[in-house]
Amino acid sequence: AQKITQTQPGMFVQEKEAVTLDCTYDTSDPSYGLFWYKQPSSGEMIFLIYQGSYDQQNATEGRYSLNFQKARKSANLVISASQLGDSAMYFCAMREGGNTDKLIFGTGTRLQVFP
Amino acid sequence: NAGVMQNPRHLVRRRGQEARLRCSPMKGHSHVYWYRQLPEEGLKFMVYLQKENIIDESGMPKERFSAEFPKEGPSILRIQQVVRGDSAAYFCASSDRLASMNTEAFFGQGTRLTVV
Repeated sequence: AQKITQTQPGMFVQEKEAVTLDCTYDTSDPSYGLFWYKQPSSGEMIFLIYQGSYDQQNATEGRYSLNFQKARKSANLVISASQLGDSAMYFCAMREGGNTDKLIFGTGTRLQVFP
Repeated sequence: NAGVMQNPRHLVRRRGQEARLRCSPMKGHSHVYWYRQLPEEGLKFMVYLQKENIIDESGMPKERFSAEFPKEGPSILRIQQVVRGDSAAYFCASSDRLASMNTEAFFGQGTRLTVV
């Protein structure tokens, strides 16, 4: 069964430093997509970055990059040069191929950036 | 270009009452997904609808919950005879086609239901 695991309930990072948020997944489908979302205290879900299972290169979006290790089934999010506004919950999610449309979410990691 | 609109943002209901949550998808989007987020948890898929059709309701509780997406108007998630365990944030997402692998789900801001 498809599953997303985020083992870090909380992380702290100092402003301007880089931080890695872990995500592992489990699926038997060779075709899948991996997503990261940010949820600030205001509650909305903000899309950050996407990685496809067949993508040859790791995805990058500004200060966000995805460290995709397919053999290990991991899709860690790297935030470079952390800012105070990065403090939020971060969710990893997966969508499988075929006619499945739903996203499967992990339990999230709460990131706190301190000055 | 308005995003996914959900209302109300906050809803308080007494046990046994009905809760109606509304979702207006982004303009041009005909696919709607509902997710539930219990406190301190990730989002859990509930139901996927296209206009006038329920495509996948595998995440919906069997009783008291229903969803619709009429030809005209917003999608409605209806919870009858609410109980305290229904207290959660309910998110709606929309897309303009059957989600392909890299289709970003555009989420609304959610409705926070509190059952007292």
